[in-house]
Amino acid sequence: GAVVSQHPSRVICKSGTSVKIECRSLDFQATTMFWYRQFPKQSLMLMATSNEGSKATYEQGVEKDKFLINHASLTLSTLTVTSAHPEDSSFYICSARNGGPQHFGDGTRLSIL
Amino acid sequence: TQLLEQSPQFLSIQEGENLTVYCNSSSVFSSLQWYRQEPGEGPVLLVTVVTGGEVKKLKRLTFQFGDARKDSSLHITAAQPGDTGLYLCAGGDGGYNKLIFGAGTRLAVHP
Repeated sequence: GAVVSQHPSRVICKSGTSVKIECRSLDFQATTMFWYRQFPKQSLMLMATSNEGSKATYEQGVEKDKFLINHASLTLSTLTVTSAHPEDSSFYICSARNGGPQHFGDGTRLSIL
Repeated sequence: TQLLEQSPQFLSIQEGENLTVYCNSSSVFSSLQWYRQEPGEGPVLLVTVVTGGEVKKLKRLTFQFGDARKDSSLHITAAQPGDTGLYLCAGGDGGYNKLIFGAGTRLAVHP
């Protein structure tokens, strides 16, 4: 149980492109979803917390206009990286929970050329 | 600001050896989770500890939560190459709402 699916698993695109990443909880309803970023050989850094039907709460230093988060249903949250640049290249991971521990997706490797 | 210091950062051992990973903080956490992450994948939850002094075992892995709920340890007995991976501790600040991750311990177990 507690399966979280993330799509796509890998994206390679040109600088200036906007990229959307989906996070779905497959077998439970996620009241809260989280988006993390992980640079090579580093730990996970929380970017934002997303509650269904309300605005996301962003961590200090994360630009909300650049990283758009939508949590339209209890099973889906999306992260859109707008006008992506090479410095946005990273491993983006979502997690979801419904009153218990966070369960993580398999991540999206974003490479901006 | 809550911080979790995890040590050691890297560990390279031979199959059959024992090892311990530590996770320390000056802050009290409501819960402490341990995750294992393979390259290119998301972290997988190993265990959650919530009570000070709690000890949980998962086959050859033993997890302990400090009495004051500020620190935790992961002990692996007779490590195997399949244990290779990145081990992450994460402290929860009330109801698992927000997790503070340690920097991770990259473990390599050689045959």
